[in-house]
Amino acid sequence: GEDVEQSLFLSVREGDSSVINCTYTDSSSTYLYWYKQEPGAGLQLLTYIFSNMDMKQDQRLTVLLNKKDKHLSLRIADTQTGDSAIYFCAGSNQAGTALIFGKGTTLSVSS
Amino acid sequence: SQTIHQWPATLVQPVGSPLSLECTVEGTSNPNLYWYRQAAGRGLQLLFYSVGIGQISSEVPQNLSASRPQDRQFILSSKKLLLSDSGFYLCACTGLTGAQHFGDGTRLSIL
Repeated sequence: GEDVEQSLFLSVREGDSSVINCTYTDSSSTYLYWYKQEPGAGLQLLTYIFSNMDMKQDQRLTVLLNKKDKHLSLRIADTQTGDSAIYFCAGSNQAGTALIFGKGTTLSVSS
Repeated sequence: SQTIHQWPATLVQPVGSPLSLECTVEGTSNPNLYWYRQAAGRGLQLLFYSVGIGQISSEVPQNLSASRPQDRQFILSSKKLLLSDSGFYLCACTGLTGAQHFGDGTRLSIL
């Protein structure tokens, strides 16, 4: 079945760029998603990319999609302490009935 | 846009007691609805999803059940809680592009 893999931790300094990577096995997902979870809260949809696109930029966020390698990344420019959170990538299951989430990458931003 | 309400926000229950967590959705009709559990420091585990009233699909065998008595109401239940049922429970509904939108979650502690 579909599998989504992410590195578990990333630590950066304030003002640097952060790059969170994700690989997936099933390429049938029409969209791929990035979610942010702050401590004690639910998941917030950050951005998504249509599977026919290579890149999407939204203010400080840049999503890159390499369909050939089944690799998705989220770049956060000028990372701030408020960006500290867990970031999940997700894609649809084959039936299109649910999303498959990675285990999440904990981003720690130090000042 | 959709709004997902979950309650209670936190719950402490003894082992063997019953459980009822409620989720209601505003701003959409006939949504797909989901219950996830997030154990401490881990990713999301899909428990149940529903594509309509009275239609429940279970992803994993467990001590929990779900019901959808109304279009925008999704209930997670248990007759007798186990210690292993502790976790953070999230309700979600599907929006445009297939993205899922999450409630704020219920933190369940079993003593």
